Amino acid sequence: EDQVTQSPEALRLQEGESSSLNCSYTVSGLRGLFWYRQDPGKGPEFLFTLYSAGEEKEKERLKATLTKKESFLHITAPKPEDSATYLCAVETAGRRALTFGSGTRLQVQP
Amino acid sequence: DGGITQSPKYLFRKEGQNVTLSCEQNLNHDAMYWYRQDPGQGLRLIYYSQIVNDFQKGDIAEGYSVSREKKESFPLTVTSAQKNPTAFYLCASSADRNYGYTFGSGTRLTVV
Repeated sequence: EDQVTQSPEALRLQEGESSSLNCSYTVSGLRGLFWYRQDPGKGPEFLFTLYSAGEEKEKERLKATLTKKESFLHITAPKPEDSATYLCAVETAGRRALTFGSGTRLQVQP
Repeated sequence: DGGITQSPKYLFRKEGQNVTLSCEQNLNHDAMYWYRQDPGQGLRLIYYSQIVNDFQKGDIAEGYSVSREKKESFPLTVTSAQKNPTAFYLCASSADRNYGYTFGSGTRLTVV
């Protein structure tokens, strides 16, 4: 059974304090790893897709990396507007639908 | 503008009632999905459909039913067999993994 585990469950940062969120996975035949941002009461918003170990993608203050066992979402000099829940998901060869982790709730204080 | 629309935004269900959640997209996406989200948790897959007139069960399909008669529409029925239906329901569609899924704004269902 595919498993996706995110840590920490919650993270509180001061504005400008860089950190990383972790997504570890145990799957058969990874086809892609996805990162989403979700604001309260809204649907998730797509951030990145990573396909193979060693791949990196960046968008503004966010950078996602992928190894054979985990992915990291690095947040550089965060701002209060980066506060949200960040979700990790995987797509595998066995199923053409995403399996999500439970998310990391990020709060950035001014 | 292209997008995915869920309605209603809030829905209240009495015990023993079936209710149907609407999901419509004008993105010309082939694949559509239904997820359930409980407070403080991630998304769990209920049903998904890769093409019209075909759909597959997800991890928590019991007590739910779907249809896919049109490419644009993927309604979800929450039946009386679903014992704990109170949750936030999200519909999504996709065409290309490079751009991920496009999600609707969700329907919050409450049992009263």
